[in-house]
Amino acid sequence: DTEVTQTPKHLVMGMTNKKSLKCEQHMGHRAMYWYKQKAKKPPELMFVYSYEKLSINESVPSRFSPECPNSSLLNLHLHALQPEDSALYLCASSNRGGTNEKLFFGSGTQLSVL
Amino acid sequence: GQSLEQPSEVTAVEGAIVQINCTYQTSGFYGLSWYQQHDGGAPTFLSYNALDGLEEKGRFSSFLSRSKGYSYLLLKELQMKDSASYLCAVGGGWNFNKFYFGSGTKLNVKP
Repeated sequence: DTEVTQTPKHLVMGMTNKKSLKCEQHMGHRAMYWYKQKAKKPPELMFVYSYEKLSINESVPSRFSPECPNSSLLNLHLHALQPEDSALYLCASSNRGGTNEKLFFGSGTQLSVL
Repeated sequence: GQSLEQPSEVTAVEGAIVQINCTYQTSGFYGLSWYQQHDGGAPTFLSYNALDGLEEKGRFSSFLSRSKGYSYLLLKELQMKDSASYLCAVGGGWNFNKFYFGSGTKLNVKP
């Protein structure tokens, strides 16, 4: 199993809503990531979890709250988002250590904030 | 910080060879990798260079020169399905699990 599964694929939410994005992998990877990608732009790193602990937060606003319940799951909780937060949110995983040169991406959640 | 520059768009003919460049200014990284991303899809891994030189994987090859701050992806025998965006990225290794992406190059393959 070399898949990273993300749900939902599409999400529309209002600025007062609370929603969560979910990500799952069963490759035994110990590093998991959230990226944000706007149209025609490269993915931007948001958060990195290493061995289920938050290791990197790229100064992301607090309206985005990551959670790693176990080594296979990664969530991104969304609250009071702004229209400019509309983007493709990508989850990824990689091996931790050694030659962890490869990111495995999920298919993403296309988020629209109204 | 990390800064990776790529041409925004490249056009080539089916069956040809095309080179996509990535120049970087970075404070240090473990390796440089290349990803392919079709419109509406997620990036998929293509190739990785930890050492200087050429890495060949079928129709795709990647080259790295750390002294020149330069990498390229070479695509041979272009097919229509190769039309996509190509992204270089730095990161990886034991302590470098930050992966930063370049600006991306849109490749248009014409018949």
